[in-house]
Amino acid sequence: SQKIEQNSEALNIQEGKTATLTCNYTNYSPAYLQWYRQDPGRGPVFLLLIRENEKEKRKERLKVTFDTTLKQSLFHITASQPADSATYLCALLNTNAGKSTFGDGTTLTVKP
Amino acid sequence: DAGVIQSPRHEVTEMGQEVTLRCKPISGHNSLFWYRQTMMRGLELLIYFNNNVPIDDSGMPEDRFSAKMPNASFSTLKIQPSEPRDSAVYFCASSLDSVATNEQFFGPGTRLTVL
Repeated sequence: SQKIEQNSEALNIQEGKTATLTCNYTNYSPAYLQWYRQDPGRGPVFLLLIRENEKEKRKERLKVTFDTTLKQSLFHITASQPADSATYLCALLNTNAGKSTFGDGTTLTVKP
Repeated sequence: DAGVIQSPRHEVTEMGQEVTLRCKPISGHNSLFWYRQTMMRGLELLIYFNNNVPIDDSGMPEDRFSAKMPNASFSTLKIQPSEPRDSAVYFCASSLDSVATNEQFFGPGTRLTVL
């Protein structure tokens, strides 16, 4: 079965810096990789999807990379703000099975 | 659209009681997912439906759990009998297969506490 690991449970950075979160996976199957944001007491909210044939995807201050050789995705938030503080989940979408496997998440705290 | 609607938002019950969680997906979405989230195990997929048909229930922990989707606008997750280890936040999510991003829209969750 697919296994996803997010490299750290918590990440603390200073406002204005770039936050980098890591997602590693094993037992690769044809898939897309998604990133979600979850705030306390709420359900996850979709941010970005990157396909296996894409190296990089950007959306405003967010950038995601996908290295299928390393089996790793990096999620960057540039010019971070306290409002970016949340838990970020990566999810491997198996298009054959039609379902996603989620990592445990990394909790980001951006300090003013 | 109001988004995915779940009820109740909070449920406190005693061990052995039956619990029913309810979900209304976003209108027009054809896939529905039930997840459970705990600190220990993270976000786990329990079951998902496509066009009201259960496709994969391999995540359902045991026979005490059952899920139904009688029509495109309603689904239930039932636990009978409930046990303290079932305490978790249960999320329902829906998606539209034809959308390229396959994003899932999550409801606010039901926080279940079994005493």
